[in-house]
Amino acid sequence: NAGVTQTPKFQVLKTGQSMTLQCAQDMNHEYMSWYRQDPGMGLRLIHYSVGAGITDQGEVPNGYNVSRSTTEDFPLRLLSAAPSQTSVYFCASSSVPGPLDGGYTFGSGTRLTVV
Amino acid sequence: DAKTTQPPSMDCAEGRAANLPCNHSTISGNEYVYWYRQIHSQGPQYIIHGLKNNETNEMASLIITEDRKSSTLILPHATLRDTAVYYCIVRVANTGFQKLVFGTGTRLLVSP
Repeated sequence: NAGVTQTPKFQVLKTGQSMTLQCAQDMNHEYMSWYRQDPGMGLRLIHYSVGAGITDQGEVPNGYNVSRSTTEDFPLRLLSAAPSQTSVYFCASSSVPGPLDGGYTFGSGTRLTVV
Repeated sequence: DAKTTQPPSMDCAEGRAANLPCNHSTISGNEYVYWYRQIHSQGPQYIIHGLKNNETNEMASLIITEDRKSSTLILPHATLRDTAVYYCIVRVANTGFQKLVFGTGTRLLVSP
């Protein structure tokens, strides 16, 4: 099925460890983004990309890196995990917004716990 | 992006229509109204969007008032699987990337 695939679904890290959250989409969308969702705080934008080779920071980028070498993939790297990064992470993709766009397509999320 | 106001919660009987309101009194002429929902623990799901005309798709209908200051999402025959938090978002289209700003939404509970 077409959509956004995130792996892993669950992950437990120790403080200081690094890891990469994977995100892949097969809809040829130009835009991809990473959000985190904490209880009572809604979704906050971490990083985004408007095309291969182009990335930019969102509102909470510290502690995370991204790259976009292909249209399909947009991995999120945690450089040195901290308990404050315990959250649910969602990857989303979309075409350029307009009258005919289908909105954002979100992945099913990665639930990360840092101990 | 314009701010939106939604009731915190609504109830609906299974099989009945669910009408979810949204106020966006400061919406600009080039801003669209989008609706998403988030079923527990899942990623948000796009439902529908529109500019000023009423819209319908296989999931729902969107009614936008003539002055565009409010809208209503209609789920014509609600099922238990429609229990979710529904978010109304306004955003400019045909421009560069814009982050989605989810407010607190409306928690819809569909009961048997």
